[in-house]
Amino acid sequence: AQSVTQPDIHITVSEGASLELRCNYSYGATPYLFWYVQSPGQGLQLLLKYFSGDTLVQGIKGFEAEFKRSQSSFNLRKPSVHWSDAAEYFCAVGARTGANNLFFGTGTRLTVIP
Amino acid sequence: GAGVSQSPSNKVTEKGKDVELRCDPISGHTALYWYRQRLGQGLEFLIYFQGNSAPDKSGLPSDRFSAERTGESVSTLTIQRTQQEDSAVYLCASSLGGNRGLGYGYTFGSGTRLTVV
Repeated sequence: AQSVTQPDIHITVSEGASLELRCNYSYGATPYLFWYVQSPGQGLQLLLKYFSGDTLVQGIKGFEAEFKRSQSSFNLRKPSVHWSDAAEYFCAVGARTGANNLFFGTGTRLTVIP
Repeated sequence: GAGVSQSPSNKVTEKGKDVELRCDPISGHTALYWYRQRLGQGLEFLIYFQGNSAPDKSGLPSDRFSAERTGESVSTLTIQRTQQEDSAVYLCASSLGGNRGLGYGYTFGSGTRLTVV
């Protein structure tokens, strides 16, 4: 069965600082991988996804993530955080065969301080 | 439509009443999903529809929960005899169908916030 772990429940960073949000998954093969962002009172917006090919993927709002097969990780990064990045971030994994739904981590809440 | 539309956006109901939540997916998206998000928690898969195939109901927490979808159109999630633990945000998402379509990710609606008092 697939599972996703986001070990950091809450992270606080200063505006302008770099950011890395961790995501580890458990799956027997290479899955599809996603990061979503949820602003307060909003639905989830897709930031980026790994489908195949280049393991470093670029997303919207200046985010990027790197798929590392050896570590079963898909960490999200941003070189310089903006106050508007404060939100909840969810990592998700989907199977290339079999189950057709995504499995989500429990989320990491990002606070940005001036 | 252009996005996934959910209604109502907020619903307050008394314990024991039935509620219906509606989701209108993106046109052309054959797959539709319902998730539940309790306060401060992650997303809990409820049910998945793919075209005219039998739905995957493996995530429904009890027989009080049911959902319908006609073809590739609107879906309704029904909760009967609501309990306080049903209070949550119910999120609907749609995607292109099949495993390959899943690789493009979901598009989520803004959710329905259900409060059972």
